[in-house]
Amino acid sequence: SQELEQSPQSLIVQEGKNLTINCTSSKTLYGLYWYKQKYGEGLIFLMMLQKGGEEKSHEKITAKLDEKKQQSSLHITASQPSHAGIYLCGADINTDKLIFGTGTRLQVFP
Amino acid sequence: DAGVIQSPRHEVTEMGQEVTLRCKPISGHNSLFWYRQTMMRGLELLIYFNNNVPIDDSGMPEDRFSAKMPNASFSTLKIQPSEPRDSAVYFCASTPSQKLFFGSGTQLSVL
Repeated sequence: SQELEQSPQSLIVQEGKNLTINCTSSKTLYGLYWYKQKYGEGLIFLMMLQKGGEEKSHEKITAKLDEKKQQSSLHITASQPSHAGIYLCGADINTDKLIFGTGTRLQVFP
Repeated sequence: DAGVIQSPRHEVTEMGQEVTLRCKPISGHNSLFWYRQTMMRGLELLIYFNNNVPIDDSGMPEDRFSAKMPNASFSTLKIQPSEPRDSAVYFCASTPSQKLFFGSGTQLSVL
């Protein structure tokens, strides 16, 4: 069974639009990570959240972790073609074992 | 600094053949992870090592898969015999604590 659910599975947006990707777990998470993957490449670390209610931003990307530490969102403001790729959330389920969601494929068209 | 290095980048083999994937983690990282990525199942954790010792191999699909880490700078994932359903991208990742650093992956095709 999938322990981390991501939604939507795919997203196509016009350049300049805002978008949100969600990651949900039925268990309390020790840590929540967001990674980005471009086609044919490995995963690149974006952000890590550990505290309930925590929020972090980098450039136009903001990630939040809810108070219960079971749900996270990744928000991109004013999307650009460079944001295109696969976004994956990952989580510690027992402090040293990192599992991942199924990913969200993002396409941004001009 | 070199990142996590995986080889080969691409591997095409016939069903029944032995396949060995290699990984060199970042120096100083004490944990190493092997993942498999497919369209259907996403990124699955196969096995991970801490200080060269296998900690959890519950994700290894079956006995055809084996992984070793003879020293801190090298790990292998072996499939013997390989089957078409093993076709996937295999990633190696290393970490000194929590943040994972991924290699570029090995694209495996079993015909």
